[in-house]
Amino acid sequence: ELKVEQNPLFLSMQEGKNYTIYCNYSTTSDRLYWYRQDPGKSLESLFVLLSNGAVKQEGRLMASLDTKARLSTLHITAAVHDLSATYFCAGPYGGSQGNLIFGKGTKLSVKP
Amino acid sequence: EPEVTQTPSHQVTQMGQEVILRCVPISNHLYFYWYRQILGQKVEFLVSFYNNEISEKSEIFDDQFSVERPDGSNFTLKIRSTKLEDSAMYFCASSIEGQGRISPLHFGNGTRLTVT
Repeated sequence: ELKVEQNPLFLSMQEGKNYTIYCNYSTTSDRLYWYRQDPGKSLESLFVLLSNGAVKQEGRLMASLDTKARLSTLHITAAVHDLSATYFCAGPYGGSQGNLIFGKGTKLSVKP
Repeated sequence: EPEVTQTPSHQVTQMGQEVILRCVPISNHLYFYWYRQILGQKVEFLVSFYNNEISEKSEIFDDQFSVERPDGSNFTLKIRSTKLEDSAMYFCASSIEGQGRISPLHFGNGTRLTVT
């Protein structure tokens, strides 16, 4: 069964700084998902990465996928307070695309 | 933008009681899911549903759980005899998969279930 590990689990950053969240997964997977969750809220899809070398960017967030290394990264550029949230990566479980195994999440806190 | 809606937002029940959590997936989506998140912990897959039947379920989804699509719009999760450890946030999700198309899951806002 797929195992998904994120690090760090907690990240406190200052506004304007850059940082990377790492997501390692244990078995071969051709896709990887990133979600954002604000406290007490739902999960919002950020990125779906479908192939080796895939890179996607949205605003200050950039995600990449290296299927050979079984690694995905979420890079934060010039962090702002609004990015404070918990970020989850997830990989497929079983046969259906939407059955996902989530990592434990990285709780990001961006301080002024 | 269309969204997945869940009701109620918060449900309190006594141990041993039955609860039904309700979801209205996005109308043109074909796949439906239930996930749960125990407070402060990771999100866990429970079950996926397609074409009016369960397509996959996790070890968590034992005999006390069932799902149903009673009409063309609702998708429900029933927990037959609740236990204290069932207390969690339950998320419904839907996606428009199929025909080689991969799409993200769209999650509802969740139902917080508290079992006392």
